[in-house]
Amino acid sequence: QKEVEQNSGPLSVPEGAIASLNCTYSDRGSQSFFWYRQYSGKSPELIMSIYSNGDKEDGRFTAQLNKASQYVSLLIRDSQPSDSATYLCAVSGNTGKLIFGQGTTLQVKP
Amino acid sequence: GAGVSQSPSNKVTEKGKDVELRCDPISGHTALYWYRQSLGQGLEFLIYFQGNSAPDKSGLPSDRFSAERTGGSVSTLTIQRTQQEDSAVYLCASSLVARGDEKLFFGSGTQLSVL
Repeated sequence: QKEVEQNSGPLSVPEGAIASLNCTYSDRGSQSFFWYRQYSGKSPELIMSIYSNGDKEDGRFTAQLNKASQYVSLLIRDSQPSDSATYLCAVSGNTGKLIFGQGTTLQVKP
Repeated sequence: GAGVSQSPSNKVTEKGKDVELRCDPISGHTALYWYRQSLGQGLEFLIYFQGNSAPDKSGLPSDRFSAERTGGSVSTLTIQRTQQEDSAVYLCASSLVARGDEKLFFGSGTQLSVL
């Protein structure tokens, strides 16, 4: 079992729709959770972090964490073609080591 | 510099040769990570340095891989006797402190091609 799992996609949504990206993790002791965005040929960049159960909103992005279910999600509202990228879920425990999932490719069609 | 700097940006080598990849993190960042990304894949954890603690080497795929970090700053990833399966983008990242604020800043990566 991989430590952090994501559906590789691609996930295709029309412009203006809500994109929902999901991630599960195996280490129940994980404490910090992140979503990174990676455009083709570029390095990843952090878009959201979440540390406690519930929702965290930042502009069009909402991160959701459910530690009991070991599940993290990212919602992107009013999706734009510029949101088309690979979204990487990352998880760390108390050692600070950050483990990434395989990433989900999102395609937003105009 | 303002960001994480990696060199070289591209490296082509012959099977069996040794290579060294360099990472210069953001000044003041105590945590430094190396990841490997094969085409179309996610980031594979290789090694993690945090301050003066012993590095977490649990992701190194074989004993041909090693890394060091000198003076808490620059890091070098060495791959000995390179194999074709080592071909990938090697990404270095640094972060300020650790738990609770692990925003990683990535370098542009080194594209390694083993012929």
